[in-house]
Amino acid sequence: GESVGLHLPTLSVQEGDNSIINCAYSNSASDYFIWYKQESGKGPQFIIDIRSNMDKRQGQRVTVLLNKTVKHLSLQIAATQPGDSAVYFCAETEVGGFKTIFGAGTRLFVKA
Amino acid sequence: GAVVSQHPSRVICKSGTSVKIECRSLDFQATTMFWYRQFPKQSLMLMATSNEGSKATYEQGVEKDKFLINHASLTLSTLTVTSAHPEDSSFYICSARTGGGGEETQYFGPGTRLLVL
Repeated sequence: GESVGLHLPTLSVQEGDNSIINCAYSNSASDYFIWYKQESGKGPQFIIDIRSNMDKRQGQRVTVLLNKTVKHLSLQIAATQPGDSAVYFCAETEVGGFKTIFGAGTRLFVKA
Repeated sequence: GAVVSQHPSRVICKSGTSVKIECRSLDFQATTMFWYRQFPKQSLMLMATSNEGSKATYEQGVEKDKFLINHASLTLSTLTVTSAHPEDSSFYICSARTGGGGEETQYFGPGTRLLVL
C-alpha cells in the first residue's frame, strides 16, 4: 500500500560494522524491488534491485534479501562507512505495473 | 548513468501564486516520468505518472487541477503548482524511466524544495 506519514526509524552503527536495514512491503503482487539511498536535500539514488524470482542478490558491499513468504526485504551493507549515512528506502513495483511505491524509510547513522 | 535534472532547485513564493517545476532527462528519452512529494522525515509519496503526449495519471487524493502536469516531449515534464498555499510547501522530486514495464530503473532528479509563504 501507500507509505503513510511515519517518522523514520533510525539505525546507528559503528564504522566498519555491517548494517542490516529491513523493510516490510505490502503488496503480494509486487514482483520487482529496489533499494534507494537518499542523502539530505537530494533525490533518491539507486543502490540495488531484485526480482521476485530471486531471494538474494549481491552488489558491491551490498546484498539484498527477499522473503516473499513474509513479504520482507532487507539490505545488508558490509563494512559500513561514514559516507553510507543517509535515509534508505525500499520500493516495490507490481507485476506489469508502471508505478513504484516507496516504503517508510530508515535513517542510517554511521559513527566514526 | 542516466541523469535527470530539475529546475529550480528551490523556490519561495507567495500564497496564491503558481509555481512551475521542470524535470528533464539529459541523456536519454523518458517515455514515463513520475512526480513525487516528500514532507520532512517522511517517505516519497507518488503524486502522478506522466507519459509523453498523453494526460497524466494522478494518484488518489491528488488534485489534478491544482497540480498540472505536462509531458510535452520525451525529455521534459513540468509540474505546475497552481494557487499555492503554505501546506503545499514540500520537496518535489521527479523521476524518469525508459521503456515500459515495472522493472525498468527509475532515475531520480535532485528535487525541488518549495516554500510557500
